[in-house]
Amino acid sequence: LAKTTQPISMDSYEGQEVNITCSHNNIATNDYITWYQQFPSQGPRFIIQGYKTKVTNEVASLFIPADRKSSTLSLPRVSLSDTAVYYCLVGDGGGGSQGNLIFGKGTKLSVKP
Amino acid sequence: ETGVTQTPRHLVMGMTNKKSLKCEQHLGHNAMYWYKQSAKKPLELMFVYNFKEQTENNSVPSRFSPECPNSSHLFLHLHTLQPEDSALYLCASSRDGSYEQYFGPGTRLTVT
Repeated sequence: LAKTTQPISMDSYEGQEVNITCSHNNIATNDYITWYQQFPSQGPRFIIQGYKTKVTNEVASLFIPADRKSSTLSLPRVSLSDTAVYYCLVGDGGGGSQGNLIFGKGTKLSVKP
Repeated sequence: ETGVTQTPRHLVMGMTNKKSLKCEQHLGHNAMYWYKQSAKKPLELMFVYNFKEQTENNSVPSRFSPECPNSSHLFLHLHTLQPEDSALYLCASSRDGSYEQYFGPGTRLTVT
């Protein structure tokens, strides 16, 4: 599994767009990039997954450059309820694999009024 | 999130007790997982079951014993635990080994 590096913490204000970047220099050809959100004392929640270019859903967008050595999770117009830890994971989890999610320390996002 | 349920939500047990954690998923998935999250530490994958067969055991002590009777139910049997085993135990499920996993609310375990 490719190692990922992301900022330990970020601060933002309500209504702003937040971009969290994750570095994964050793990403393999078969690897997908997956992001999770976790609130205190709760299980992580799947946010978005992508392989290349851009993926968008009702919650966030995921930008992946051509070399795939990094990715950026974009949260539009954050609110206080978006305060959470965000995890970036990289691996061959596109189905048919062991599903071995390896969580790092994540990025603790704090949204202020 | 009602797709994956876990019981009990909180558990306090002594080191000589035997207890079991239960997980049930209503999503039609065929893979289920146990994770452990200790205070200020990343989530640790403990066990993986795919189609009821255990496919991964990440060097978990034998005092933790998983059981997967069918694709919808997963148990974690606990015995002779140590205080350092106090943590949030999370169950998850997915279709095959997908990284799109759905987590339950967890069981907060305290070993006294």
